Amino acid sequence: RKEVEQDPGPFNVPEGATVAFNCTYSNSASQSFFWYRQDCRKEPKLLMSVYSSGNEDGRFTAQLNRASQYISLLIRDSKLSDSATYLCVVNGDGGFKTIFGAGTRLFVKA
Amino acid sequence: DTAVSQTPKYLVTQMGNDKSIKCEQNLGHDTMYWYKQDSKKFLKIMFSYNNKELIINETVPNRFSPKSPDKAHLNLHINSLELGDSAVYFCASSQDPLTNSPLHFGNGTRLTVT
Repeated sequence: RKEVEQDPGPFNVPEGATVAFNCTYSNSASQSFFWYRQDCRKEPKLLMSVYSSGNEDGRFTAQLNRASQYISLLIRDSKLSDSATYLCVVNGDGGFKTIFGAGTRLFVKA
Repeated sequence: DTAVSQTPKYLVTQMGNDKSIKCEQNLGHDTMYWYKQDSKKFLKIMFSYNNKELIINETVPNRFSPKSPDKAHLNLHINSLELGDSAVYFCASSQDPLTNSPLHFGNGTRLTVT
């Protein structure tokens, strides 16, 4: 089993749609969780951290379920500029081993 | 005033050569990393260093040797390059992995081995 698993997609959605991405992780001792965004031929950039109580940043909502070892990202009112690969990221081994999922590709179309 | 900078941006070389990639961060972070992103876009950790000490070596071949002269620098030297080494290599840093600190990435070095 991969340490961090994501549906690779692609997700093709119209502008204004709501889309949700899911991610599971295998190490129950993982301590920190993030969603990153990577545009084509660019470096990954932090989208948001994921907290146990769930957190929201504008149109983006992240949820963490430690019991099920599951992380989600919800994007509301999708914009063309949201088109990118979304990477689920988990910290393990005392935090020094940051593991990336393979990413979920999102295409938002006009 | 780039936070994490790596050079070169592109590197094209022949099999069997030795090459180095340099990375510097001016964020004052204690931890630095090297990641490899292959043609399938999977981003895999190679090494992590904390205050110049190797913490994680993720079963990377001995041909890859990281060097951290100080906590602001983590260079990657690759000996006897192989075709399979072609990938994008990202350097990253974080303040304190134990406190939910995110990674800050450099722009990447696209290595092509012919």
